[in-house]
Amino acid sequence: GAGVSQSPSNKVTEKGKDVELRCDPISGHTALYWYRQSLGQGLEFLIYFQGNSAPDKSGLPSDRFSAERTGGSVSTLTIQRTQQEDSAVYLCASSLPGVFTGGTEAFFGQGTRLTVV
Amino acid sequence: RKEVEQDPGPFNVPEGATVAFNCTYSNSASQSFFWYRQDCRKEPKLLMSVYSSGNEDGRFTAQLNRASQYISLLIRDSKLSDSATYLCVVNMYPGNTPLVFGKGTRLSVIA
Repeated sequence: GAGVSQSPSNKVTEKGKDVELRCDPISGHTALYWYRQSLGQGLEFLIYFQGNSAPDKSGLPSDRFSAERTGGSVSTLTIQRTQQEDSAVYLCASSLPGVFTGGTEAFFGQGTRLTVV
Repeated sequence: RKEVEQDPGPFNVPEGATVAFNCTYSNSASQSFFWYRQDCRKEPKLLMSVYSSGNEDGRFTAQLNRASQYISLLIRDSKLSDSATYLCVVNMYPGNTPLVFGKGTRLSVIA
């Protein structure tokens, strides 16, 4: 498809287990973002990739969270030893690289709803 | 000061009303500005970009005030379908950096 694709759409996991969330950005989009959103809350920035490198990891909430991106395309967000407070919707977005003028639109996937029980 | 700040609302307005949202940003060098809309339990989607001269799209008008570092969104003749959360988004540090999202302003249009 032409949009950002995320999988799985829903994930229920037991506390302490590891999970992997996947994001397929729009073809040609070099910028990729991960956000999470708890119920009724705003977007919380997690990490940003430009190509395969992550110049900004400042939003990762703990060392249990990691993300990688290979081939400048697919990205995986991994949460180790999940906790109940990790329950949220994890949103991925992609865009053309930021430019000095004009800026670019970010397109979001439909998210992965993670529930830790 | 937070990078991008919005009044969280909620704004509860009757159909047909005019409503305005403001958003302030901290970096005067910010280059690009957007309003996104997020419906309940859906992903955010671009509503409109904000240009220096201001721009209009039907019932929606976006304005940028660089001197005071804020952007605004005006919705005229509100419809029930306008009920959503409106997110202010700024390309705050032009170049190799992510877009910065505000927390959003929630709007409920009531019949």
